[in-house]
Amino acid sequence: QSVLTQPPSVSAAPGQKVTISCSGSSSNIGNNYVSWYQQLPGTAPKLLIYDNNKRPSGIPDRFSGSKSGTSATLGITGLQTGDEADYYCGTWDSSLAEVFGGGTKLTVL
Amino acid sequence: QVQLVESGGGLVKPGGSLRLSCAASGFTFSDYYMSWIRQAPGKGLEWVSYISSSGSTIYYADSVKGRFTISRDNAKNSLYLQMNSLRAEDTAVYYCARVEVGIAAAGIVPYYFDYWGQGTLVTVSS
Repeated sequence: QSVLTQPPSVSAAPGQKVTISCSGSSSNIGNNYVSWYQQLPGTAPKLLIYDNNKRPSGIPDRFSGSKSGTSATLGITGLQTGDEADYYCGTWDSSLAEVFGGGTKLTVL
Repeated sequence: QVQLVESGGGLVKPGGSLRLSCAASGFTFSDYYMSWIRQAPGKGLEWVSYISSSGSTIYYADSVKGRFTISRDNAKNSLYLQMNSLRAEDTAVYYCARVEVGIAAAGIVPYYFDYWGQGTLVTVSS
């Protein structure tokens, strides 16, 4: 059981928008930055969002992040079939451990 | 460009040992904190350990504390993970990742993992 809670799966049609939630507590999300990672099938995870809402160079602005209290949200607009992947949120916890969500599988119908 | 290449994975019996390596290039290795993160087959990401740029600060997940040892050799641009007393539940792909840190109320904390290696598979089975 993961410290951070994500929905196991989400789906939407090409061109549509989807959001993925990540719920934690005051010991992790509530007091630390959240990052998001995209893992395409058969590949290593890749940084998608850092410091709650910043995009690394090369990540399109279709991807966005936000945080409010002890929850964070990843948003993806203009969905493409190439966005089909597993998405993970992560943050530091006061127990002196990095914690991740269980992952959300995005299906583009 | 930043490259992280893991090696050392393989098949090992329960109770056995294995040492993973991660060769880094394309950045000043000695300036960065580093981490190991694993992923069991069909499962999510699990953080294993992290080490400061000098090696003076180290944290472990409870699941590996006392069995795994993280270390680094800045002269060789390499990160290591010595794994002892291996169990079936340690079976996973092990990734090394570069860590960006920042200052928080609790001191220096990892903010995110900006580069990941391709991973090396460790299988613990009799």
